[in-house]
Amino acid sequence: DTEVTQTPKHLVMGMTNKKSLKCEQHMGHRAMYWYKQKAKKPPELMFVYSYEKLSINESVPSRFSPECPNSSLLNLHLHALQPEDSALYLCASLQGRWRGQVKTGELFFGEGSRLTVL
Amino acid sequence: AQTVTQSQPEMSVQEAETVTLSCTYDTSESNYYLFWYKQPPSRQMILVIRQEAYKQQNATENRFSVNFQKAAKSFSLKISDSQLGDTAMYFCAFMNRDRGSTLGRLYFGRGTQLTVWP
Repeated sequence: DTEVTQTPKHLVMGMTNKKSLKCEQHMGHRAMYWYKQKAKKPPELMFVYSYEKLSINESVPSRFSPECPNSSLLNLHLHALQPEDSALYLCASLQGRWRGQVKTGELFFGEGSRLTVL
Repeated sequence: AQTVTQSQPEMSVQEAETVTLSCTYDTSESNYYLFWYKQPPSRQMILVIRQEAYKQQNATENRFSVNFQKAAKSFSLKISDSQLGDTAMYFCAFMNRDRGSTLGRLYFGRGTQLTVWP
C-alpha cells in the first residue's frame, strides 16, 4: 500500500460551519504534512507532525486546527473559515527516518481536498 | 534560507520532441535532496525524479533525466520523447537532509506549466 488517502475530495462550507479534512496512510511513515495550494501556485507548508507530535506550525491562523490521533491518521479541523481559505489542501507523508536525518526524502502526496468557503 | 527559482512560467513542446525545464536554488547546506514533481490537472503531486546532492551522477528515470550542477546550484529536467500525458505543472523542490530546523521541509519553486501538443 503506497497511498495517501484524503477525504473528502470536495468540501463546500459556510463561514460559520465546522468541518474536518482527513488524511490516512499505512506505509509506516512517521512524518505527516498539511499543505495549502492556491491555483497555479506551489504548495505552502502549514503543519508538520513527527512521531505524532506537532513539529512545525507555519504561523497558520487558529481557525485551522491540526490533529494527529495516531501514526496513520492526520486531521485538519476547520472552523470559522474565510472565503480566502478556499484552496486545495494536500496531505503528505515522508518516507524514511525523520529524526536525525532524512533517509530518502520522498514525500508521498494524497490527491487533495478541494475546499470552497462561501 | 533555502530558495528555489524556476524562471520559465510556461513552456510548450511538440509530441516526441525534447524539452528542458530550468531550476536554480540557493542554500548553505551541503547535504540535501532535489526533486522534480509533476502535478497534472487531476491535481495529485507525483514525484518524477530525485537527486541526492552528494551523488555526482545525474539521476535518470526512463524519459526523464536531470542535469545537476552542484557548484552552479542548477538542477534542470530534460524530458525526452514528450508525450501528451506529460502535460502538467512541474515543480522543482529542495529538501535538507541533515539535522536542523529545516529538516524534512520541502521548498518548492513557483512551477513551470508544460503543455505537450500533438
